[in-house]
Amino acid sequence: GAGVSQSPSNKVTEKGKDVELRCDPISGHTALYWYRQRLGQGLEFLIYFQGNSAPDKSGLPSDRFSAERTGESVSTLTIQRTQQEDSAVYLCASSFRRGQGNIQYFGAGTRLSVL
Amino acid sequence: AQSVTQPDIHITVSEGASLELRCNYSYGATPYLFWYVQSPGQGLQLLLKYFSGDTLVQGIKGFEAEFKRSQSSFNLRKPSVHWSDAAEYFCAVGINDMRFGAGTRLTVKP
Repeated sequence: GAGVSQSPSNKVTEKGKDVELRCDPISGHTALYWYRQRLGQGLEFLIYFQGNSAPDKSGLPSDRFSAERTGESVSTLTIQRTQQEDSAVYLCASSFRRGQGNIQYFGAGTRLSVL
Repeated sequence: AQSVTQPDIHITVSEGASLELRCNYSYGATPYLFWYVQSPGQGLQLLLKYFSGDTLVQGIKGFEAEFKRSQSSFNLRKPSVHWSDAAEYFCAVGINDMRFGAGTRLTVKP
């Protein structure tokens, strides 16, 4: 597609439920990033994919968070047993490749509310 | 340690007034520098970037930024603010990874 697409745009869930967030990167972009943005705060790096290489999971806050990406296409971020502190906007970005100042293009985000 | 600081959490300016948003960074080498804007309910849109060369860079929507190595700063400026510029602005720095500041929220008074 023309830009990075994320779905759903909003998700309300109950504490303890699992949620799955989806990201469609820009076609041809090999790098894909997930960020978390808590209310009034900056972006917190979660995980990064580059082609078929092992993902960089260094930003995942706990083992309840996981993400997958098939090749250079769609990625899903899964949060298991959601907690209220997981409430945030989850942003996905893609770039042609990682590093050397490659520009990241962002989706509109998924706003997650855990009740 | 690598860090990005945006000292101003919230700035209010009158429409037509000039604007400067501050960004300071701490990095082992000179990183690539970016400014993004986020309108309510939207993702981040790139305003401008600095990789090398001329330290004054021009971006979209009439914004510019100046890289000052001696001050480890990359401040964003606009000579005349429009009401549509009200948004959240993020400074980001990095080479292989990108680190974002906490953001500055801009309010524009009529």
